[in-house]
Amino acid sequence: DGGITQSPKYLFRKEGQNVTLSCEQNLNHDAMYWYRQDPGQGLRLIYYSQIVNDFQKGDIAEGYSVSREKKESFPLTVTSAQKNPTAFYLCASRETGKYNQPQHFGDGTRLSIL
Amino acid sequence: DAKTTQPPSMDCAEGRAANLPCNHSTISGNEYVYWYRQIHSQGPQYIIHGLKNNETNEMASLIITEDRKSSTLILPHATLRDTAVYYCIVRGPTDSWGKLQFGAGTQVVVTP
Repeated sequence: DGGITQSPKYLFRKEGQNVTLSCEQNLNHDAMYWYRQDPGQGLRLIYYSQIVNDFQKGDIAEGYSVSREKKESFPLTVTSAQKNPTAFYLCASRETGKYNQPQHFGDGTRLSIL
Repeated sequence: DAKTTQPPSMDCAEGRAANLPCNHSTISGNEYVYWYRQIHSQGPQYIIHGLKNNETNEMASLIITEDRKSSTLILPHATLRDTAVYYCIVRGPTDSWGKLQFGAGTQVVVTP
């Protein structure tokens, strides 16, 4: 089945530790996105990538880093510089050929601080 | 973005059709209507989208009024697994998908 796979489903971070969240898609989509969702709040864009080897900062990129070495993969690293990392992280992708193509989401990774 | 208005909640009996309304009276001619849902602790799931014609897929049907100011998402035979928050949004060619916001949505509870 085609889709977006995020792993792990739950992740715990210690103080001073960097952690990496995985996002893999087999939909052959060009664009990929990382969002953060906090309780009672909407989606906030962290980073996005329209093409391999290129990515752009979103609204809340500080304390996060990404890479896009392969079309199907867009890992997100939450660094120790992110002081409030506890949140639900969502990866999304979409085909960019037509503007009406919808965005598809993975099932998310819930990150907590130990 | 054109704004949408949805009822905050609705209940539906298992096996019955669920009809979810959405008002989008300021929609522009090139804006599409999209429906997503989010089940608790899961990522948003795309359901269906349309411009002006009615659309149907394996999950649902989308009925758009002739004046395009409102639409209805129909889940033909609701199951307990359809309990979720359903979001109606409209997006056009100038809307950035990175600025996606869902609003409050409709909490649908399917009961046995």
